[in-house]
Amino acid sequence: DVKVTQSSRYLVKRTGEKVFLECVQDMDHENMFWYRQDPGLGLRLIYFSYDVKMKEKGDIPEGYSVSREKKERFSLILESASTNQTSMYLCASTNRGGRSEQYFGPGTRLTVT
Amino acid sequence: GESVGLHLPTLSVQEGDNSIINCAYSNSASDYFIWYKQESGKGPQFIIDIRSNMDKRQGQRVTVLLNKTVKHLSLQIAATQPGDSAVYFCAENSGGSNYKLTFGKGTLLTVNP
Repeated sequence: DVKVTQSSRYLVKRTGEKVFLECVQDMDHENMFWYRQDPGLGLRLIYFSYDVKMKEKGDIPEGYSVSREKKERFSLILESASTNQTSMYLCASTNRGGRSEQYFGPGTRLTVT
Repeated sequence: GESVGLHLPTLSVQEGDNSIINCAYSNSASDYFIWYKQESGKGPQFIIDIRSNMDKRQGQRVTVLLNKTVKHLSLQIAATQPGDSAVYFCAENSGGSNYKLTFGKGTLLTVNP
């Protein structure tokens, strides 16, 4: 069974803290994605990576950075957390060949106080 | 920019009835579409996909219909069960090599016993 795991299900951080969200997939997928999900706004793409050490900005990259040092792991970094970054964060992965669905992790509910 | 939208944000049906969830897309270049199901507290789960060279595709109790003329996508669930209660998203891939998906905002399906 394919699997995407995220380091935390729930996280509470203070404004100004540096926050790391980790995602690991065991499917040897080339592409990995970070989304945030907010009520009424759906899923919005923050960053994605199509190979190790490669990254591209999504639709809402401001306030975020990413790191992909190994193929199976994709990290999302909030350099200085703000209250408007309180959200559900979802990681996904997909292989490179052809059109195919993205496999999602369970999500991390981040609250910034 | 291009977007994917849903006609109905909520849908309530009786157990055993058929459900139809609709989605409009605006990017005529999109060539691949996916339906996801998201249960409360979980990440989106793949249901079924369809490529633009098809009009219809069937899975187990689900059927996806694609009408490219009016840029409309629908998901039909036969004999809806309480376990089908969830938020359903459509997503489109508008081409390119990065496999980015654009998601609709979702429809909440509630199945009444």
